[in-house]
Amino acid sequence: DIQMTQSPSSVSASVGDRVTITCRASQDIRSWLAWYQQKPGKAPKLLIFAASSLHSGVPSRFSGSGSGTEFTLTISSLQPEDFATYYCQQANTFPPGIGGGTMVEIK
Amino acid sequence: QVQLQESGPGLVKPSETLSLTCTVSGVSITSYYWSWIRQPPGKGLDWIGYIYYSGITNYNPSLKSRVTISVDTSKNQFSLKLSSVTAADTAVYYCARHKRPPIAVEFDYWGQGTLVSVSS
Repeated sequence: DIQMTQSPSSVSASVGDRVTITCRASQDIRSWLAWYQQKPGKAPKLLIFAASSLHSGVPSRFSGSGSGTEFTLTISSLQPEDFATYYCQQANTFPPGIGGGTMVEIK
Repeated sequence: QVQLQESGPGLVKPSETLSLTCTVSGVSITSYYWSWIRQPPGKGLDWIGYIYYSGITNYNPSLKSRVTISVDTSKNQFSLKLSSVTAADTAVYYCARHKRPPIAVEFDYWGQGTLVSVSS
């Protein structure tokens, strides 16, 4: 199975900050990577697919990059509604491994 | 508008079988692949398995011996059965749609989730 590792596990930031989250895959997954946002008590929401493609309706302040084994999710200017937990997920093979999550907290 | 809704018992006894159903509306279940994903309280997400309307399934090897996913196209529903449950199976269970089947495994629509507790 492909293992996904996210860092950091949590980050404290202020509204307006630029936030970057890293995700590493245990083997090459080319661009088969998705990012999700989850708020407490809610289902995850797809943000990014194919490493850098913005899902429909997702604000442009979210962006994804990377390929192979290293990927990043960037929030260019953090908004109050962005405080949540973010997960990366490899979309290449089964089972689709999911990272442990990064909690973005209010500083 | 695509919507998914999980339903089933919120409490299951140890060693019994957990049974959940996901009702899909707004799209035909025959057009996509459909998965079950779970999240233990305070923990991360864990993919359980998927089904296609033709009956094709794929399960997480870690759960394969205990999982059955089935589909009822007449009701636009798919279901999950997990046998011999223990406390470790306590989780919020989500159903979700695959965005780009069969080439990739991203989930673009999710149910709201249902908490299933395993306890005597």
